[in-house]
Amino acid sequence: DAKTTQPPSMDCAEGRAANLPCNHSTISGNEYVYWYRQIHSQGPQYIIHGLKNNETNEMASLIITEDRKSSTLILPHATLRDTAVYYCIVRVEASGTYKYIFGTGTRLKVLA
Amino acid sequence: DGGITQSPKYLFRKEGQNVTLSCEQNLNHDAMYWYRQDPGQGLRLIYYSQIVNDFQKGDIAEGYSVSREKKESFPLTVTSAQKNPTAFYLCASSSGGVGYNEQFFGPGTRLTVL
Repeated sequence: DAKTTQPPSMDCAEGRAANLPCNHSTISGNEYVYWYRQIHSQGPQYIIHGLKNNETNEMASLIITEDRKSSTLILPHATLRDTAVYYCIVRVEASGTYKYIFGTGTRLKVLA
Repeated sequence: DGGITQSPKYLFRKEGQNVTLSCEQNLNHDAMYWYRQDPGQGLRLIYYSQIVNDFQKGDIAEGYSVSREKKESFPLTVTSAQKNPTAFYLCASSSGGVGYNEQFFGPGTRLTVL
């Protein structure tokens, strides 16, 4: 069962910030939140991850609520190449390694 | 260049035939994974392997089999027992350690069973 809930689709104007929400109300204390994106018919690409604190890298920022039940991925200046499906993922421990629990993702369309 | 390769990109098979999908990585990663993706859906885990000669079933392992004889390779066989084999198959690998452990994905193989 998916541990994340995301809106199925969103639009964003080119050059504006894209804010993609994710609910993960059943997340456990040691489970990380990861974000990936998938451009049509390609393998998913890593964006960012976090546990408790907000995180930022060259691609995006990740804001995690204090209770860890939700998070928001922010693309600060969306471009047409950011059009993709964005997956919010919970990483769970399994048999000595880790596995990802994918949801159905948000299809982001950046408009010119 | 380091990365994950999957071949072929497109694969067609007749119903009732077994088919093996290739996945190779030169990232020196211990852990490898196979996922299935259906149209409009997220990825679902089929099998994963933490180390050579060891693997575990994921959430939808029925009708699939794997082997992990080499660290670099994790082939997936789609057997005739898989009821709906037509899908997009993705392989991934990761360092498998605690803490930060990004999964790197291959380009995928699109399997169509006729």
